[in-house]
Amino acid sequence: GENVEQHPSTLSVQEGDSAVIKCTYSDSASNYFPWYKQELGKRPQLIIDIRSNVGEKKDQRIAVTLNKTAKHFSLHITETQPEDSAVYFCAAETGGFKTIFGAGTRLFVKA
Amino acid sequence: EPEVTQTPSHQVTQMGQEVILRCVPISNHLYFYWYRQILGQKVEFLVSFYNNEISEKSEIFDDQFSVERPDGSNFTLKIRSTKLEDSAMYFCASSETGGPYEQYFGPGTRLTVT
Repeated sequence: GENVEQHPSTLSVQEGDSAVIKCTYSDSASNYFPWYKQELGKRPQLIIDIRSNVGEKKDQRIAVTLNKTAKHFSLHITETQPEDSAVYFCAAETGGFKTIFGAGTRLFVKA
Repeated sequence: EPEVTQTPSHQVTQMGQEVILRCVPISNHLYFYWYRQILGQKVEFLVSFYNNEISEKSEIFDDQFSVERPDGSNFTLKIRSTKLEDSAMYFCASSETGGPYEQYFGPGTRLTVT
């Protein structure tokens, strides 16, 4: 069945450094790749997304890259701040009706 | 800004009981979803719903689960006979269109089965 692998499970960085989270997906029909940030006890919040016809997208300090051939996509956060500390989930969506999430990355940004 | 709402925020029930979790999607949205998240684990897709019928469902969504859009605003998830392992946070989400498009999540209902 469909699967999304996410690495690392935990990531600790110093404030101001960059953080990179990587995901791979199995279903070649996946065509939409959202990234969610979830703070403790809160709902997942979409922070950036990318569609399969685009290789890269950037929004201020956050960027996402997609390699469809390799079925890889990555989240890059630059100039990290303590408020970036949260769990980040990648996801892959097929046809708009089924979204498979990765296992999550717990990001700690040390001040 | 419109938001997805869910009630109750926390539901405690005994094993074997039926529960109904309620969601009010954003008013102009047409696609609705239920997810669950066991504490400390990933978000798991349960079901998607469009045009008054299920579009997709996961292996988790067995005969114990059902969804309904009883009126023009509510979207419900029913669990017929709860088990201990159903204890989780249940999130409703909605999107304006399918194919795919950004989903907006509700705040969740924490279900505790004792």
